[in-house]
Amino acid sequence: EVQLVESGGGVVQPGGSLRLSCAASGFTFDDYAMHWVRQAPGKGLEWVSLISGDGGSTYYADSVKGRFTISRDNSKNSLYLQMNSLRTEDTALYYCAKDTGNSGRNWFDPWGQGTLVTVSS
Amino acid sequence: SYVLTQPPSVSVAPGQTARITCGGNNIGSKSVHWYQQKPGQAPVLVIYYDSDRPSGIPERFSGSNSGNTATLTISRVEAGDEADYFCQVWDSSSDHVVFGGGTKLTVL
Repeated sequence: EVQLVESGGGVVQPGGSLRLSCAASGFTFDDYAMHWVRQAPGKGLEWVSLISGDGGSTYYADSVKGRFTISRDNSKNSLYLQMNSLRTEDTALYYCAKDTGNSGRNWFDPWGQGTLVTVSS
Repeated sequence: SYVLTQPPSVSVAPGQTARITCGGNNIGSKSVHWYQQKPGQAPVLVIYYDSDRPSGIPERFSGSNSGNTATLTISRVEAGDEADYFCQVWDSSSDHVVFGGGTKLTVL
């Protein structure tokens, strides 16, 4: 069974940093691109970032480009999101999601349960 | 950047058919995927490649895509179908994933 478990969320002050992790199991991790998607309280889904299966290609939403860095460690079956210069508008539940291909241009299946990031003074 | 437009809400009586639209410029040339999200839960894929159903998703769920509109159709709606539904595409011009704003399906 494919499982994705996020961790690392918490409360941080504006301007602070946080590193999210996503532990994957049940599939050959480096065969698939991975995504981070966020959902602000009561709002819709917002795509954040994508990394290809080999980690060689990364893409970011304009709202986080230059502040967030996606990475992966295929030897540990883990996905990461380093978030710097956090803003109050980054407050959201952050999901990791498995792409159904290697490049990241497909659909997401499955999703993790999410980790909550709250940016507040 | 590419924009997907969904109606904020759709209401339907049990047993009837719900149609949720996702509008975008020439969306018919893209592959559209749909997700169902129930309160307090992570999204779940219900339709991929415009009209394909993952295993475990009832045949009552179907999809279509043409011109400037993609549609998720739920036949014989049940109370358990009440949820938020999101459409998604890959925008090759920006190398971005794009989500629609979501539609809340209410079963009357």
